[in-house]
Amino acid sequence: DVKVTQSSRYLVKRTGEKVFLECVQDMDHENMFWYRQDPGLGLRLIYFSYDVKMKEKGDIPEGYSVSREKKERFSLILESASTNQTSMYLCASSLGRGLEQFFGPGTRLTVL
Amino acid sequence: DQQVKQNSPSLSVQEGRISILNCDYTNSMFDYFLWYKKYPAEGPTFLISISSIKDKNEDGRFTVFLNKSAKHLSLHIVPSQPGDSAVYFCAVPPGMRFGAGTRLTVKP
Repeated sequence: DVKVTQSSRYLVKRTGEKVFLECVQDMDHENMFWYRQDPGLGLRLIYFSYDVKMKEKGDIPEGYSVSREKKERFSLILESASTNQTSMYLCASSLGRGLEQFFGPGTRLTVL
Repeated sequence: DQQVKQNSPSLSVQEGRISILNCDYTNSMFDYFLWYKKYPAEGPTFLISISSIKDKNEDGRFTVFLNKSAKHLSLHIVPSQPGDSAVYFCAVPPGMRFGAGTRLTVKP
């Protein structure tokens, strides 16, 4: 049974802070993804990774960076948090490209 | 520009009736489509998929139909149950790109 865990369910940060969101999967999946979910916009892809040390920009990468040093871990970094980055952040993993993704429970980030 | 569009933000149906959720896409090269379901405070979970070589895929109460000429797919839930109340997203790889979602409410 695939398990994707995210480091925090709720997070409150101040504008300008550096924020790390961690995601770990336990099924040896090659592919990992970060999304944000906002009302009326659905899930928007921020970054994804098809292998360790590899990263690809999604549709809204501005203001974010990622790190994939180990296969099971994919980190999303907000270099200088802004209020428009207040959102629900969802991490996912998949065995192969285009195959179904397994999601973590999400981190609700509030930037004040 | 959204590559996948769900134009109905919400849908309400009576228990036991059919729910039909719709999705339109822009790129005729897409060859695989997925539906996810999301409950509040949880991540989305995979529901059903369809390859472009098919026009229908069925799994229990859930059936997905694909109309390639219209670039349209739909998810049918029959019969609808209150536990089906959730937000439904259609999605296409690579990446995955998701639609904005449709909130389904099934009334007892």
